[in-house]
Amino acid sequence: AQKVTQAQTEISVVEKEDVTLDCVYETRDTTYYLFWYKQPPSGELVFLIRRNSFDEQNEISGRYSWNFQKSTSSFNFTITASQVVDSAVYFCALSERGTGGSYIPTFGRGTSLIVHP
Amino acid sequence: ETGVTQSPTHLIKTRGQQVTLRCSSQSGHNTVSWYQQALGQGPQFIFQYYREEENGRGNFPPRFSGLQFPNYSSELNVNALELDDSALYLCASSPADDTQYFGPGTRLTVL
Repeated sequence: AQKVTQAQTEISVVEKEDVTLDCVYETRDTTYYLFWYKQPPSGELVFLIRRNSFDEQNEISGRYSWNFQKSTSSFNFTITASQVVDSAVYFCALSERGTGGSYIPTFGRGTSLIVHP
Repeated sequence: ETGVTQSPTHLIKTRGQQVTLRCSSQSGHNTVSWYQQALGQGPQFIFQYYREEENGRGNFPPRFSGLQFPNYSSELNVNALELDDSALYLCASSPADDTQYFGPGTRLTVL
């Protein structure tokens, strides 16, 4: 079973639509971290947000918002009023403590978001 | 920009050759991680270095090796290249156990 599942391979929307990217994770640890990264066509992964397992508060940053629900092991990401510049591949990642003692992220396979003008 | 740089940007090698990729971490970051990202996939963790010691390794064979230097820059070495090694190689730096910030990557093509 995958530790991080992003079931949506590709989403296509028209500018100004709202869009939600789903992320479901699996872990037995009580302490872990969740991340979202954006990867534009240039290839560089851009950090968007980090959440620890003890903080279930939803967060809003401009047009971006995140809904963390431990009961369903989900960490979904919503973009409000999407723009063409939001077109990219978005990755969800789960960071657990590895055998060496440090936290190691496991990434999902990504969701490609295409925003049409 | 994250302040993490990688070189070279692109590289073409043939099967059986060896390659060295380089990464300069962001100032103040003592941890460097390397990832392999195949086309259409998420990044796969290769290994991590903290203060010049390897402190985590993913499911990659020993022909993938690395180094971290006193200035926290790092190298990824791959011996006996195979066609499946063709991928984008990403380096990320962080303060220990904190958010990782990624470089632009090196795209390796093995012919």
